[in-house]
Amino acid sequence: SQKIEQNSEALNIQEGKTATLTCNYTNYSPAYLQWYRQDPGRGPVFLLLIRENEKEKRKERLKVTFDTTLKQSLFHITASQPADSATYLCALTGNQFYFGTGTSLTVIP
Amino acid sequence: DVKVTQSSRYLVKRTGEKVFLECVQDMDHENMFWYRQDPGLGLRLIYFSYDVKMKEKGDIPEGYSVSREKKERFSLILESASTNQTSMYLCASSERAETVVGETQYFGPGTRLLVL
Repeated sequence: SQKIEQNSEALNIQEGKTATLTCNYTNYSPAYLQWYRQDPGRGPVFLLLIRENEKEKRKERLKVTFDTTLKQSLFHITASQPADSATYLCALTGNQFYFGTGTSLTVIP
Repeated sequence: DVKVTQSSRYLVKRTGEKVFLECVQDMDHENMFWYRQDPGLGLRLIYFSYDVKMKEKGDIPEGYSVSREKKERFSLILESASTNQTSMYLCASSERAETVVGETQYFGPGTRLLVL
């Protein structure tokens, strides 16, 4: 069965540093991979989508890489701010949608 | 902006009650989804609909049914609520794209259901 692993349940970093979140998957070849942000008590919000033939995608302070050989995506937030504190979910998309369990990020002032 | 609304933010029901959760989207999306989210288990797909009156079972359909009579509305029904259905329920919609399930999913705010 399909499996998605996101690195450590919680990540704490100092404000201004770069946060790097990892998403590894097995038994699947997604057409694309997405990252979502979820705040407590709210639904996930779409951030970025990267296709299988793309290596890297950027949006403001966010960067996503996608390595289909390693079956891994890295999600970077540069110059992190306390407002970036949230849970970040990766999602694989092909014939179905599969979400990871998420990584909780806390940016410490 | 896409807007997905859910009928209730919080709901408390008793075991055995029939529960209706409603979801409405305003962007004319073909696809609609119902998930439940539990700590440590992430988002799990209950049902998916890719067109009016069409439905597909997700990973955990047992104990649930759905209805999609109009394109903008997708209802989740708990025929006889049980305590193990206490959870956060999230509705989402997406536009059909290269794949049937579409690309970006737009989520509602969620309904936190407590079954006593």
